Amino acid sequence: QQQVKQSPQSLIVQKGGIPIINCAYENTAFDYFPWYQQFPGKGPALLIAIRPDVSEKKEGRFTISFNKSAKQFSLHIMDSQPGDSATYFCAASEDAYGNKLVFGAGTILRVKS
Amino acid sequence: DAGITQSPRHKVTETGTPVTLRCHQTENHRYMYWYRQDPGHGLRLIHYSYGVKDTDKGEVSDGYSVSRSKTEDFLLTLESATSSQTSVYFCAISESGRANIQYFGAGTRLSVL
Repeated sequence: QQQVKQSPQSLIVQKGGIPIINCAYENTAFDYFPWYQQFPGKGPALLIAIRPDVSEKKEGRFTISFNKSAKQFSLHIMDSQPGDSATYFCAASEDAYGNKLVFGAGTILRVKS
Repeated sequence: DAGITQSPRHKVTETGTPVTLRCHQTENHRYMYWYRQDPGHGLRLIHYSYGVKDTDKGEVSDGYSVSRSKTEDFLLTLESATSSQTSVYFCAISESGRANIQYFGAGTRLSVL
């Protein structure tokens, strides 16, 4: 049973659009929520991360929104570009050091030019 | 890929044979991890290490063993490979401390026939 449920499985947007990827969890002990980006043939790479004491975090065109009461968090990509086409994974950890990560199933994003 | 080398990059083997995958790092990071990546499951932690000779199980450890005799090397062994272990295996490393970041290798594609 997936501890972190991610949706949608795949997403196609036009260049400049704002894709939104959602994740939900049940374990209230989770306290670290990173997002990873993976290009074909490569390993995942950390994109942005948030802790539950804040409701939003922005880094460049990437924003995480976090709703602790609903146990949901989401990734928004502003002004999406074809180079953002990749697979995105949300993850969570109850280890304060973020060591034992539990990943969502992934979302394949395609940004059309 | 952050000073991480996985070998081999590709391997085809037969059911019942032993297989060892190697992860070598040049970053002197304390933590090392083995994940498997399968469609619909994202990445799942197999085992991780928090120091030389210190290892612990992840969520899908059955059928796998690990060893870490040196800081830089983390070996994953499938004692008797099964078709269900066909997957892409990723090694990751991280330093200790809060707001941890895991750096992933390029992966090993294993096919068990």
